[in-house]
Amino acid sequence: EDQVTQSPEALRLQEGESSSLNCSYTVSGLRGLFWYRQDPGKGPEFLFTLYSAGEEKEKERLKATLTKKESFLHITAPKPEDSATYLCAVQAEGQNFVFGPGTRLSVLP
Amino acid sequence: KAGVTQTPRYLIKTRGQQVTLSCSPISGHRSVSWYQQTPGQGLQFLFEYFSETQRNKGNFPGRFSGRQFSNSRSEMNVSTLELGDSALYLCASSRPGGGATDTQYFGPGTRLTVL
Repeated sequence: EDQVTQSPEALRLQEGESSSLNCSYTVSGLRGLFWYRQDPGKGPEFLFTLYSAGEEKEKERLKATLTKKESFLHITAPKPEDSATYLCAVQAEGQNFVFGPGTRLSVLP
Repeated sequence: KAGVTQTPRYLIKTRGQQVTLSCSPISGHRSVSWYQQTPGQGLQFLFEYFSETQRNKGNFPGRFSGRQFSNSRSEMNVSTLELGDSALYLCASSRPGGGATDTQYFGPGTRLTVL
């Protein structure tokens, strides 16, 4: 069975304090790994898709990387507006998305 | 390009009633997936429709059903509501075909409260 875990469950950072979020997965035949950001009471907002080990994608202060067993979302010099829940999801061939439980990020000014 | 829209945004129902939620996908997207999100269970997959056919189904009771119309708009129905059905129901659309087209884009959700 496909599984996705995320750590830490919650993370509190000071503004400017860089850190990384982890997404570990077990899936047969990875078709894609997806990162989303979700603000309270809203739908998830798409950030990145990664397809193969070694791939990296960047957007503003965020950088996502992928290995064969896990993905990292690196946040460089975060700002309070980066506070949100970050979700990762995996998709295997012919299968629906499987989401992790998310990491709640709080960035304090 | 307009995003995914969901109506209504908020609903309050009582136990035993039924409810219908609606989702309009991004123009050109033919796949619509539905998810239930609760604080305890996270995002749980309900079902996916593609070209008016249910393609995948999650582990939910038969009280949860859906359909898709020829214009790709989708509805989901929950019959005989239970207190545990209170959740944020999210719809996501995609244009499956491999690569970036598999990316799912989410709507704002419908917040259902069952009293």
